[in-house]
Amino acid sequence: KNQVEQSPQSLIILEGKNCTLQCNYTVSPFSNLRWYKQDTGRGPVSLTIMTFSENTKSNGRYTATLDADTKQSSLHITASQLSDSASYICVVSAYGNNNDMRFGAGTRLTVKP
Amino acid sequence: EAQVTQNPRYLITVTGKKLTVTCSQNMNHEYMSWYRQDPGLGLRQIYYSMNVEVTDKGDVPEGYKVSRKEKRNFPLILESPSPNQTSLYFCASSFAGGGMNTEAFFGQGTRLTVV
Repeated sequence: KNQVEQSPQSLIILEGKNCTLQCNYTVSPFSNLRWYKQDTGRGPVSLTIMTFSENTKSNGRYTATLDADTKQSSLHITASQLSDSASYICVVSAYGNNNDMRFGAGTRLTVKP
Repeated sequence: EAQVTQNPRYLITVTGKKLTVTCSQNMNHEYMSWYRQDPGLGLRQIYYSMNVEVTDKGDVPEGYKVSRKEKRNFPLILESPSPNQTSLYFCASSFAGGGMNTEAFFGQGTRLTVV
């Protein structure tokens, strides 16, 4: 069973709208959680990284939140743009082994004009 | 420019014909790894390397080999490819261990089709 679950699988929104993507994980003991953006056919690129002591982190129009008690994270995208169309992947690492990343299957976001 | 470079980007081959996908990084990273990405699944780790001459199996190592003779290079070898190895492959690198913010950098991907 995948230790990182993301929802929804896919999402279509209109340009300018906001959206929120969800990530639940069971990786334990928890070390850090990252959100990556992956454009079609390209490698993932890091958006944010949070440790257990952080509950929110922003990168431009992207804001990630983390609730380490409930093992949930969300990625909020504000004022979406066409270039936000991509897959967003939640990645969790266990304490003591930061290089071992557990990947979610991703949420495919499509932003339409 | 800091980067992870994979070659080739696209490859179509026949069952049983040995192939190598190269991966090189210019960031002096100790840790390198290979992943495959299939529809509906998250990236799954094939092999990883903590440093030169140190490699270990990931979650899905069957049918693959790797080597780490130099710090910057980490080739993925398919000795006898089969159709179930058709996938999108990514190489990644990062500094090893310590510190909470070990950023991982990914290559552009290699789309492999085995017929």
